[in-house]
Amino acid sequence: DAGVIQSPRHEVTEMGQEVTLRCKPISGHDYLFWYRQTMMRGLELLIYFNNNVPIDDSGMPEDRFSAKMPNASFSTLKIQPSEPRDSAVYFCASSKLAGFTGTQYFGPGTRLLVL
Amino acid sequence: QKEVEQDPGPLSVPEGAIVSLNCTYSNSAFQYFMWYRQYSRKGPELLMYTYSSGNKEDGRFTAQVDKSSKYISLFIRDSQPSDSATYLCAMIESGQNFVFGPGTRLSVLP
Repeated sequence: DAGVIQSPRHEVTEMGQEVTLRCKPISGHDYLFWYRQTMMRGLELLIYFNNNVPIDDSGMPEDRFSAKMPNASFSTLKIQPSEPRDSAVYFCASSKLAGFTGTQYFGPGTRLLVL
Repeated sequence: QKEVEQDPGPLSVPEGAIVSLNCTYSNSAFQYFMWYRQYSRKGPELLMYTYSSGNKEDGRFTAQVDKSSKYISLFIRDSQPSDSATYLCAMIESGQNFVFGPGTRLSVLP
């Protein structure tokens, strides 16, 4: 298995632009998680899905952030409009069962820089 | 006070040393405790997972949980340069409130 796939690996954009991050979870995994990691705040859970349905989005910082999972093999995290403080590494992770007690497999991350 | 605290390091040790990494937490409802290892420019990977107080051993790694003191530890025996990474503790409250510690950066010097 190729593991969790994220694209792009790096993104540089200007403030105000829309940014879309993509994730392909491991086939057969029921849970998908989006995280953000910064030096200041560490690793933060933004939102997670179970069977393509958003379960908890309480970690989403504000309305500029939105996430979708149209099918079991694809999810997007969108930031519109982007701001410099959104600069971080965004990770997607997936888990087979009982997401919080099962092993989460992380993707390589997308490094986002908003100028 | 943050829910989960962890010494950020960096921690430098010679090869072969015993390493002790620690986290403290404030929420007594946390039930599951994990340690993740994150190499530079990579995503975290799960190392150890425990539910109850006590010790759990896996090769050179031992995870220890003391719920009464709200304290967890990860011990690495015979540390190797390949163990150089950031170690993150994480804990869960009954299927919700999943929290990571800020991570401790470890360097094992050959």
